[in-house]
Amino acid sequence: EVQLVESGGVVVQPGGSLRLSCAASGFTFDDYAMHWVRQPPGKGLEWVCLINWNGDNTEYADSVKGRFTISRDNSKNSLYLQMSSLRPEDTAFYYCAKDTYPAGDLFDSWGQGTLVTVSS
Amino acid sequence: DIQMTQSPSSLSASVGDRVTITCRASQSITTYLNWYQQKPGEAPKVLISDASSLQSGVPSRFSGSGSGTDFTLTISILQPEDFATYYCQQGYSTPLTFGGGTKVETK
Repeated sequence: EVQLVESGGVVVQPGGSLRLSCAASGFTFDDYAMHWVRQPPGKGLEWVCLINWNGDNTEYADSVKGRFTISRDNSKNSLYLQMSSLRPEDTAFYYCAKDTYPAGDLFDSWGQGTLVTVSS
Repeated sequence: DIQMTQSPSSLSASVGDRVTITCRASQSITTYLNWYQQKPGEAPKVLISDASSLQSGVPSRFSGSGSGTDFTLTISILQPEDFATYYCQQGYSTPLTFGGGTKVETK
């Protein structure tokens, strides 16, 4: 059974930094692309970024480009999101999601989410 | 960026009803269209990929159709567990984008 467990969500001040982690199990982690998707409380879904199976290709939403960095450690079956220059509009539940493909576009499994609150 | 527009944003329906949700892309995405269901307090779950391919374990009352710019998600006979919010998502090009969601509520 695929399991994705996010951690690292906290309350942080505007301008601050934070690293989210996602621990993966139940599948061959380095066969698949991975994504971060976020959802402000009570609002819709926004794709944040993706990383391909081996980490040599990453892509970002314009809203986070230059501030967020996605990475993975296939030896640890882990996905990360380094967030900097945080803004109040970054407040959201952050989900890690597994793709169906090595470099893809379909979120076939999701974690339970971790809440990041950017507030002074 | 490709904009995804869902309609309606909400609807009221009864168990047993046929429900149709539409999703329109701002440009052709061929069939790179996926549908997700999200219940309160839960992560989204994929229902349909590539416009019309039912994911494993998803009941056959769910179906998807369309290509190009116009797509439809249909629930043939609404069940109590289907009250939720539904999102479409295009996978044609990055940035990957979602529709605004359709909340299916009980009438």
